[in-house]
Order: sequence, then structure tokens, then C-alpha cells
Amino acid sequence: GIQVEQSPPDLILQEGANSTLRCNFSDSVNNLQWFHQNPWGQLINLFYIPSGTKQNGRLSATTVATERYSLLYISSSQTTDSGVYFCAVGSYSGAGSYQLTFGKGTKLSVIP
Amino acid sequence: EAQVTQNPRYLITVTGKKLTVTCSQNMNHEYMSWYRQDPGLGLRQIYYSMNVEVTDKGDVPEGYKVSRKEKRNFPLILESPSPNQTSLYFCASSPTGLGEQYFGPGTRLTVT
Repeated sequence: GIQVEQSPPDLILQEGANSTLRCNFSDSVNNLQWFHQNPWGQLINLFYIPSGTKQNGRLSATTVATERYSLLYISSSQTTDSGVYFCAVGSYSGAGSYQLTFGKGTKLSVIP
Repeated sequence: EAQVTQNPRYLITVTGKKLTVTCSQNMNHEYMSWYRQDPGLGLRQIYYSMNVEVTDKGDVPEGYKVSRKEKRNFPLILESPSPNQTSLYFCASSPTGLGEQYFGPGTRLTVT
């Protein structure tokens, strides 16, 4: 099946700093999403971004499908940005079936 | 409000006692799926359903059953739970398999 690798696995930032999280995937994908899992365990949709660039406030994401990677940018980080960021890719796996595969996440800690 | 709901949110049970975790969505989505999340392993897909009466195995289906008799509901059944099924479970739905995935709040299951 498709492999999804996220880097870095852990990241500590001072409040106000910027960061870039990376997601590499091993094969062609039909969709890609970024999620934030907050300290209470909830998974929050950040971006649905099979290709191109999107922005939402201090966050933006870029997917270059032909080169099999996606980047999540966090600017002017805040303590509420802490948590785990997941990349998930969707692909057809033969016979018309479909699967969503998650990376193992980047754990972000923003300190005051 | 458009949402995915799961019940119960927390459950402690004993080995071998059958249980069902319910999942319901009010967005008329065709695609629904179940995931489990374990430390160090990220989120892994258990089962998914492309539509009513259409279900398929994900990456870790052993020990689980599902059914999709109605579009809005997708229950997860553990016929004989074991301690290795202690995990955080998420249900998700999407307009289609390729569409943006929306996750429920999670069910924390402990099997003793």
C-alpha cells in the first residue's frame, strides 16, 4: 500500500515563530488532507488539498502531486497551535476500493 | 449542524463481552469509515463503506465487524473484545471516497 511519511516527528517552537511541516507519499494519490489533533483528541480539518495552494488565516498548505509531497506552513505560532498534525492521503487500491492512509504525525509544542 | 456523532465516547469493558460503537452522520454522505489510533502507530483504517450495503476491509480489520444498512449509520461491532483492542476509535464520513473526510469526536475504549 501507499506509504506516508511526515517530518519532523517532533517540533518545539517559541510562540510567534514560523514552521513548515512536510508530508511525503510514495505513490499517486487522489486526495490529501491535513488535520490537527488537539490535546483533547479531536481531529480538526485544516485543509483538503489534492493539489495547489490554500490559505486559511495563519495556516497555508501546498501540495505538489507530481513530486509526491505536501507542506503545511504555520506562521506566528500560538500556544493553541500545539498538538499533533496529520497528513492523510486517499487512493484507490484496486477493484474500485478506496483507502485513506495517515502519516504518523508531527507533534508540535508551542511554548510561551 | 452538520456533524458525525459517536457513542459512547468512553467505554471500559471486559474481555469477551460483545459491544457496539455507533456512528451516525447527518450530511447524506456516501462514504463512511472507522479508524483506530494507537501511540506510535498513528491512525489506521479498520473498515470502510462506499455506500449502503457496501463494505470493505481496511488495514486492520481483524476482530471487528461492520454493517451499513442505512446511509447515515455505520456501527462498529466487537464480537469478542480483547485487550489489544484498547484504543481510541474514530468514525469518519465523506461525500464520496475522494472527498473531504469529516471525523467524529472519538471513542476511547478500554478492554480489561
